[in-house]
Amino acid sequence: QQQVKQSPQSLIVQKGGISIINCAYENTAFDYFPWYQQFPGKGPALLIAIRPDVSEKKEGRFTISFNKRAKQFSLHIMDSQPGDSATYFCAASGGSGGSNYKLTFGKGTLLTVNP
Amino acid sequence: DTGVSQDPRHKITKRGQNVTFRCDPISEHNRLYWYRQTLGQGPEFLTYFQNEAQLEKSRLLSDRFSAERPKGSFSTLEIQRTEQGDSAMYLCASILSGTRDQPQHFGDGTRLSIL
Repeated sequence: QQQVKQSPQSLIVQKGGISIINCAYENTAFDYFPWYQQFPGKGPALLIAIRPDVSEKKEGRFTISFNKRAKQFSLHIMDSQPGDSATYFCAASGGSGGSNYKLTFGKGTLLTVNP
Repeated sequence: DTGVSQDPRHKITKRGQNVTFRCDPISEHNRLYWYRQTLGQGPEFLTYFQNEAQLEKSRLLSDRFSAERPKGSFSTLEIQRTEQGDSAMYLCASILSGTRDQPQHFGDGTRLSIL
């Protein structure tokens, strides 16, 4: 059972363009939604995160939009740069008991930004 | 903050051999997580510790897998009688529980290749 669905699998944008990656979740107990960036040979690194009590969070060129009713959230990368080329994962955590920090990841989106 | 470190970074072994990986979390973090990431997929939860107690194991963690965190600091993950399907990146992450909006910090993983 895939609890976090991510699309698209891959994305190619031109430098300066907007990259948009979408995720949907099923478990209504989730209450923390981070996005991670991963470069080849490296571990995931937190990019930006949101909780469902806000509909949008912006940090620099990165924005998360969150729709609690639809159980969907998305990452927008403005003014995309070649250095943003990486794999992006959405994730979710939350729920009862001590495992509420356990992350459930989407399958990832390979972003390529052409110069 | 020296980050989460994992050792070795790469391990190549023959099918049927035993392997052990080590993870050193961020020193003040009391929770430590192990994830497995196969090619083209997001990380999948394996198990986690709070201090030295192993509190949850995924169904992915067969009886050939064992993890320990003997003194609540570093952790080891051992795979006995390795199989081809064990080939993956094994990621470790840590977090200080009770700190709202603090992300899991990941190491750069141990890539396991089974010949």
